[in-house]
Amino acid sequence: GAGVSQSPSNKVTEKGKDVELRCDPISGHTALYWYRQSLGQGLEFLIYFQGNSAPDKSGLPSDRFSAERTGGSVSTLTIQRTQQEDSAVYLCASSLEAGASSYNEQFFGPGTRLTVL
Amino acid sequence: KNEVEQSPQNLTAQEGEFITINCSYSVGISALHWLQQHPGGGIVSLFMLSSGKKKHGRLIATINIQEKHSSLHITASHPRDSAVYICAVLALQGAQKLVFGQGTRLTINP
Repeated sequence: GAGVSQSPSNKVTEKGKDVELRCDPISGHTALYWYRQSLGQGLEFLIYFQGNSAPDKSGLPSDRFSAERTGGSVSTLTIQRTQQEDSAVYLCASSLEAGASSYNEQFFGPGTRLTVL
Repeated sequence: KNEVEQSPQNLTAQEGEFITINCSYSVGISALHWLQQHPGGGIVSLFMLSSGKKKHGRLIATINIQEKHSSLHITASHPRDSAVYICAVLALQGAQKLVFGQGTRLTINP
């Protein structure tokens, strides 16, 4: 497809379960970002991948959150032992290579709405 | 105080009115995004700018780097412009991550 895709679009889970959210970036985009938007709140940064560099995990709210990016393309955000406060829309974005001297526009996916009961 | 502040938080106007949404930030930036989020959550990037002014159709974005301020204008507003408009900045210092304003909820009535 032409844009960033995410799956599932909606996920309902029980407290304590693990969940995996998937992001397929735009082909050729080496930078990938995960964001979270809680109900009534603004967007917050979670994690950033750039090529083969070590990811910037500074936005992850706890050690229950982790993400990986395999083959420089698809990324998976994993939340272990989910809590009700994890309920939010999780958004992925991608861009062309980003670095210390360059920044390119980010393109957002449709998001995954996670509800933890 | 948030690094990115938007005003107003909510705006209701009649179709055809000229709309202005403001964004102020407190850090040095390399770029600023204006994003649009419709009900249902999808986010679309309207503009990315680091200086001056950009125009797409009825939308105009301006930025004043010295004053750390940007505005988004909508001319001849239409009900389909109803959405949340979000300002986001990429700080000069630190990681390649956007810092977001809280958003402005715009409602255009027919």
